[in-house]
Amino acid sequence: ETGVTQSPTHLIKTRGQQVTLRCSSQSGHNTVSWYQQALGQGPQFIFQYYREEENGRGNFPPRFSGLQFPNYSSELNVNALELDDSALYLCASSGAGRGAPNVLTFGAGSRLTVL
Amino acid sequence: GQNIDQPTEMTATEGAIVQINCTYQTSGFNGLFWYQQHAGEAPTFLSYNVLDGLEEKGRFSSFLSRSKGYSYLLLKELQMKDSASYLCAVSPGSGNTGKLIFGQGTTLQVKP
Repeated sequence: ETGVTQSPTHLIKTRGQQVTLRCSSQSGHNTVSWYQQALGQGPQFIFQYYREEENGRGNFPPRFSGLQFPNYSSELNVNALELDDSALYLCASSGAGRGAPNVLTFGAGSRLTVL
Repeated sequence: GQNIDQPTEMTATEGAIVQINCTYQTSGFNGLFWYQQHAGEAPTFLSYNVLDGLEEKGRFSSFLSRSKGYSYLLLKELQMKDSASYLCAVSPGSGNTGKLIFGQGTTLQVKP
């Protein structure tokens, strides 16, 4: 059983640029969520994708967007980068059960530095 | 609003017991999770509580009181490898959802 893999692991961008982060979900999982984790803070929910559609969004501006592909992998895109976007971006996948929330399996993250 | 509070840092001795507390105020409640995160690594699932009471899993136990909006994670027989950040998170919605509200995390340092 493969876990959640993310790429790239580290990257540096400058203000105003755009970035795309990628995530492959765990085998058998069809739901992907993205989180932003600033240094010394807990993760903050950005959005979730299920069946290739956004299915829930946190308090993030529209310049944060995403995609989910038929194989359940996902991308996070951030436009017009700002200094405060510097953070660890975590992808998490989960199964398609009903009722109780499913346990999230996290990837190791992509650390973005905006200069 | 949504708020989850936990201590920022704790220190304990190898072999001892430590309790990490978490209080929450959320607009909905569909379960509370504890995750462990070592520096530079992915958060990993430790426990889940949705009903009041204690859930035990080896050296780790987690307790929930929904009426008090309170949970704790109990770590017994501490080992050096338990040095990590411990994240308390609440699922505020119903059904299958990947949305969790996290606290800021408690950094636990285990000393010899």
